[in-house]
Amino acid sequence: DAKTTQPNSMESNEEEPVHLPCNHSTISGTDYIHWYRQLPSQGPEYVIHGLTSNVNNRMASLAIAEDRKSSTLILHRATLRDAAVYYCILRAQGGSEKLVFGKGTKLTVNP
Amino acid sequence: NAGVMQNPRHLVRRRGQEARLRCSPMKGHSHVYWYRQLPEEGLKFMVYLQKENIIDESGMPKERFSAEFPKEGPSILRIQQVVRGDSAAYFCASSPRDRLNQPQHFGDGTRLSIL
Repeated sequence: DAKTTQPNSMESNEEEPVHLPCNHSTISGTDYIHWYRQLPSQGPEYVIHGLTSNVNNRMASLAIAEDRKSSTLILHRATLRDAAVYYCILRAQGGSEKLVFGKGTKLTVNP
Repeated sequence: NAGVMQNPRHLVRRRGQEARLRCSPMKGHSHVYWYRQLPEEGLKFMVYLQKENIIDESGMPKERFSAEFPKEGPSILRIQQVVRGDSAAYFCASSPRDRLNQPQHFGDGTRLSIL
């Protein structure tokens, strides 16, 4: 499975936008980019995924670079409930269905 | 729809005992995955099962650990002769079918403590 690189931690203020970066320079053409988050004492929660085009859903937006070597998860208005560890994961076509979690980015949201 | 249900939420065992962790997938989901999160570490894949079949067990320790997903009933992760190092949070996830763009839905985990 391809590797991703994320900052260890980021900080934001409540009601401001948050841009969480992820580098995946070794991504292959058929790898999907998935984002999950884990709130304290809970299981991971799916956020969004995409292949080439930018994606939007009720939780967030995913901006994918044209060369696909990086992506950014965008939370449009951070709330205290968005404080979590955010994981950027590549899922390889033809490989196992398993998710390979890195260390993720711990997001702190200040009131 | 009920989410992925794991029980118990907390389990305490003494060294040498057996631990059984249960996972009921979301309705309509036939694929189950188990992950382990050791204290201060990331989530690690353990095993991937479909009904009555183990598809990928590459993350399972070679001894003392086993998993099943019978035709009827929940998936079970079984740890025999537990040791202190087995203390961790164990998460189960499910998905509806074997396609890459299907997200996995996680339960809130079982926190296993070994005395």
